[in-house]
Amino acid sequence: NAGVTQTPKFQVLKTGQSMTLQCAQDMNHNSMYWYRQDPGMGLRLIYYSASEGTTDKGEVPNGYNVSRLNKREFSLRLESAAPSQTSVYFCASSMGASSGNTIYFGEGSWLTVV
Amino acid sequence: LAKTTQPISMDSYEGQEVNITCSHNNIATNDYITWYQQFPSQGPRFIIQGYKTKVTNEVASLFIPADRKSSTLSLPRVSLSDTAVYYCLVGDTAGGGNKLTFGTGTQLKVEL
Repeated sequence: NAGVTQTPKFQVLKTGQSMTLQCAQDMNHNSMYWYRQDPGMGLRLIYYSASEGTTDKGEVPNGYNVSRLNKREFSLRLESAAPSQTSVYFCASSMGASSGNTIYFGEGSWLTVV
Repeated sequence: LAKTTQPISMDSYEGQEVNITCSHNNIATNDYITWYQQFPSQGPRFIIQGYKTKVTNEVASLFIPADRKSSTLSLPRVSLSDTAVYYCLVGDTAGGGNKLTFGTGTQLKVEL
C-alpha cells in the first residue's frame, strides 16, 4: 500500500518556467491537500480539495493552481515560477471531517527556483 | 477558524516524560484534536487523535479537558529519536470544509 505518492521528488526551475507537481493516493480518501514548508518554518496550506470536483484556496494560494483530476489525483501547478516559491511541497489526503480528518502525507517534493 | 498555539520549543533528557500543551480556544463542536510528528526532510506523521478526556496508544497519551480549549500531548520516557517538531491540529469543519491549517509546532530536543 503506497499511501500518498508525489512526483517529482526534486526539481530545479528557472524563474518564469512552469511545472506541475503530481500527487496520487490509494487510500480512497475524499479530501486532498497541498502544503508548502519553507526552511525552518511550519506547514502552510496552499489549496485543498474537500471532495472530488471541488477545490478551495488555503492560506497561501497566490501563484498556484490546482486540479482534482479524479478521486485519487490532485495536482499543483506553478504557472510562472518565482524564487519565493522555493520550498518543500507536501501533498496529503484524509478521509474527511466525519472521520476525524487524520491526514496522511507524502514524502515531499523539493523545488528550487533560480 | 480554530487556530492553535503551542510553545515554540522544549528541551528534555532521555528517560523523562514530556508534556506539550496546545491551546485551541475556538475549537468547534465537531472538531477532533490531532497531533503529528515531523522529522527533518520528512512529511508529518500521525501520532494520536482525540475528541475528549484521555486517549492512549503505544507511543503517546492525549489529555483533553472538559472545555476542550486545550490539549496536552504526553510522551513517556523520551529518547533521542523523539527529537522532532510536534504539531497540534484542530480541524476546521465549519460549513463542511476541510481547511486544515497547521500552527508553528513545537521543536522538541531530547539530549542524553
